This record gives sequence, C-alpha cells and structure tokens, in this order.
Amino acid sequence: EPEVTQTPSHQVTQMGQEVILRCVPISNHLYFYWYRQILGQKVEFLVSFYNNEISEKSEIFDDQFSVERPDGSNFTLKIRSTKLEDSAMYFCASSGAGGSRAGELFFGEGSRLTVL
Amino acid sequence: KNEVEQSPQNLTAQEGEFITINCSYSVGISALHWLQQHPGGGIVSLFMLSSGKKKHGRLIATINIQEKHSSLHITASHPRDSAVYICAVNPRRGGSEKLVFGKGTKLTVNP
Repeated sequence: EPEVTQTPSHQVTQMGQEVILRCVPISNHLYFYWYRQILGQKVEFLVSFYNNEISEKSEIFDDQFSVERPDGSNFTLKIRSTKLEDSAMYFCASSGAGGSRAGELFFGEGSRLTVL
Repeated sequence: KNEVEQSPQNLTAQEGEFITINCSYSVGISALHWLQQHPGGGIVSLFMLSSGKKKHGRLIATINIQEKHSSLHITASHPRDSAVYICAVNPRRGGSEKLVFGKGTKLTVNP
C-alpha cells in the first residue's frame, strides 16, 4: 500500500533554531496536512494545504510556522525559531479526492522534535 | 468542553474478548474517523464513516448520527490489537477539512 514518509524521525534542536520537517505524501493525493501531538496529549490540527496554498490553519499555526510544497512531491513544515513548547511529534497526512478511500487520511510515522 | 469524548480512557482485556470503545461528539460532522496509534507513535486510519456501519476483518465501526455517537468493536481480541484507538471528526463548518481528535483509548490485550 502507498505510504506517507516523513524525515527526520527524530530531531533534537536548541531553542531559537530553525527546523524543517519533511514529508512525501502519497503521489496522487491532493490534500496535505500537518498535525502535532505533544507528549501525553491529543493530536491537534496545525494546517491544511490544497492547490499550492494554505486552505485552513489553526491558532497554533502562527507566524513562526510555514509550509511549502517546493517541488511537487515534498511537503515541508518550517518552524523559524523553535521554542521549548514546540517539542512534540509532528505528523504529516495526505488524502485523495476520489476512489473508495476518498477523504480518508493517510498519516506518516511522525517526526519527533525535541527542543532543548 | 471537548468536542470529541471517548470512553473508556484505558481498557484491559484478555485475549479473545469482545472489545467496545465509544465516541461521542458535540458538533455536526461530515465524517468520523477511527484511527489506531501504535506504541511507536505512528497513526493508521481504520475507518471513515458518515453513516451506518463498516467492517474490516475483526473490526467493526458503527455510527448513529442522530445521537452523535460511534462505537468501535474488536471481535476475538489479540495482543497485537494493543494500541491507542482514536476517534476524530470532520466538523461540518464552512468547508473545514481538519480533524478534531479525541484523547484516545489505550487498549491492552493480555495473552
């Protein structure tokens, strides 16, 4: 079965540093998402992306966050100046518009970010 | 108040038992998802429902739109079913695509 891949699986960074998390969504999917899960808490929506632009974002997704789909395959989440509270597991997800599994989200394995 | 509530929070069963996990939500939705989160953290989609019932192997998911309630059943549970099961909904708000998640139900199946 096709899968969403994320890199890195774990990143440790110093507070204030920039971090880029990378995702390769399923190739024929059109909708892309980033979610995060702080340890011990529920998964939270960050941003959705469709047709090369942000379609929806949460209150968490402030000016220090940005997303890009630079080359038609990768989908990246950039955190410009990391804070301690950005430590979390970040999940990329994608979904397609048609077929028997339309609207179903396919998640990557997650990128664990630790900010020191 | 959380928009998505799951019960129980934790569930321990013996191998072979029939498992039910419940999810209630407080908003209008376009779809409800059941997801499985492995101990390593990865999330797998099990079902997406907007009405009725779906079955896949030993897993059955039902939804009652009028009562804003869904259940996930596991028949003949096995230790490999041990995971966190998460209910998430697509709120029906102006074309929103995001999922709103419950806190999850941690299932442990003992041999």
